[in-house]
Amino acid sequence: ETGVTQSPTHLIKTRGQQVTLRCSSQSGHNTVSWYQQALGQGPQFIFQYYREEENGRGNFPPRFSGLQFPNYSSELNVNALELDDSALYLCASSLGVSQGNTIYFGEGSWLTVV
Amino acid sequence: DAKTTQPTSMDCAEGRAANLPCNHSTISGNEYVYWYRQIHSQGPQYIIHGLKNNETNEMASLIITEDRKSSTLILPHATLRDTAVYYCIVRAPNSSYKLIFGSGTRLLVRP
Repeated sequence: ETGVTQSPTHLIKTRGQQVTLRCSSQSGHNTVSWYQQALGQGPQFIFQYYREEENGRGNFPPRFSGLQFPNYSSELNVNALELDDSALYLCASSLGVSQGNTIYFGEGSWLTVV
Repeated sequence: DAKTTQPTSMDCAEGRAANLPCNHSTISGNEYVYWYRQIHSQGPQYIIHGLKNNETNEMASLIITEDRKSSTLILPHATLRDTAVYYCIVRAPNSSYKLIFGSGTRLLVRP
């Protein structure tokens, strides 16, 4: 158990729709990052939030957006869903942005776009 | 853009030590090496990380060569539940210190 919880665990959306995924970080962790993992591949970094500000972004289009709230929980929003957005979306939390800290992952949200 | 190289797959017998190698020849002096594993359909599980010295915790040991160009993750007594994909990661040297996952090593522990 990492203390990182994600919801929903599974969902199905239609192409063109919008989706919101939620994440509660481990208690006390002020940094949340999101990763996308397509079937058979390693996770790919989407973006990171530190103290409610985005402080790093991977190679994902602007229709992938996020928020971090004062309690450090976070949301990932994806607009205009495409079939290739079907993947496991992982949330990870850590304390601060030090390179030597430990990052803990949740179990992920499986998104299927049809 | 993974900065590490790992064998695609390995296997070992249950109860024996599993030694998983990783090459990170372009690592810079202040970059940490992290190991995670992922069991099918679950989120990545943190195992261990280190900078220069060897590290040990309740799950595994991490041996980093003196020149830091390679490392080995050791699971001292592998069990069937250790069957997973193991990722060796060097954290990106920027403000987000994101984890860049490669393809990992698929470890199969045989009964």
